[in-house]
Amino acid sequence: DGGITQSPKYLFRKEGQNVTLSCEQNLNHDAMYWYRQDPGQGLRLIYYSQIVNDFQKGDIAEGYSVSREKKESFPLTVTSAQKNPTAFYLCASSPHGYGYTFGSGTRLTVV
Amino acid sequence: LAKTTQPISMDSYEGQEVNITCSHNNIATNDYITWYQQFPSQGPRFIIQGYKTKVTNEVASLFIPADRKSSTLSLPRVSLSDTAVYYCLFASGSARQLTFGSGTQLTVLP
Repeated sequence: DGGITQSPKYLFRKEGQNVTLSCEQNLNHDAMYWYRQDPGQGLRLIYYSQIVNDFQKGDIAEGYSVSREKKESFPLTVTSAQKNPTAFYLCASSPHGYGYTFGSGTRLTVV
Repeated sequence: LAKTTQPISMDSYEGQEVNITCSHNNIATNDYITWYQQFPSQGPRFIIQGYKTKVTNEVASLFIPADRKSSTLSLPRVSLSDTAVYYCLFASGSARQLTFGSGTQLTVLP
């Protein structure tokens, strides 16, 4: 079945540590996105990529970094510069901007 | 950036029809209106998408007036499992920045 796979489902980070969240899709979608969701709130865009080797900052890119070396993969690194990283992170993809397909999310907790 | 406005929450009873309205005064000509459903700790799930008039699928209907400044998601005969957050947003042919609003928390009561 085609879809988006996010891993891990749960992730714990120590203060000052960088962590990378994985996102893989086999839908042959050109565009991929990372969103952050805090409790009781909507989704906020972190980064998005329309094609391989190209990505754009979203509304809350500070403290995050991404890469898009392959069409299928769009990993997100949460760096130590992100002061409040505890949140639910969602990856999505779309064919030319219509109709997002979302992954099941990664819940990141700082310990 | 295009913005949407939805009620924060709605309550309904099992078996009733639920209508959730979204306002979008600055929708662009090439924007489609899309609705998503999200359960706790899961990714949003596509429900329905439309451009104008009425669209219907197996789970919902979407009503869009001629001026396209609002849209209404209609869920027929809701059940307890329809309790979720519902988001409306725009989708265009370009992967530009899109902003999700805070959504509408629908609670279906027995």
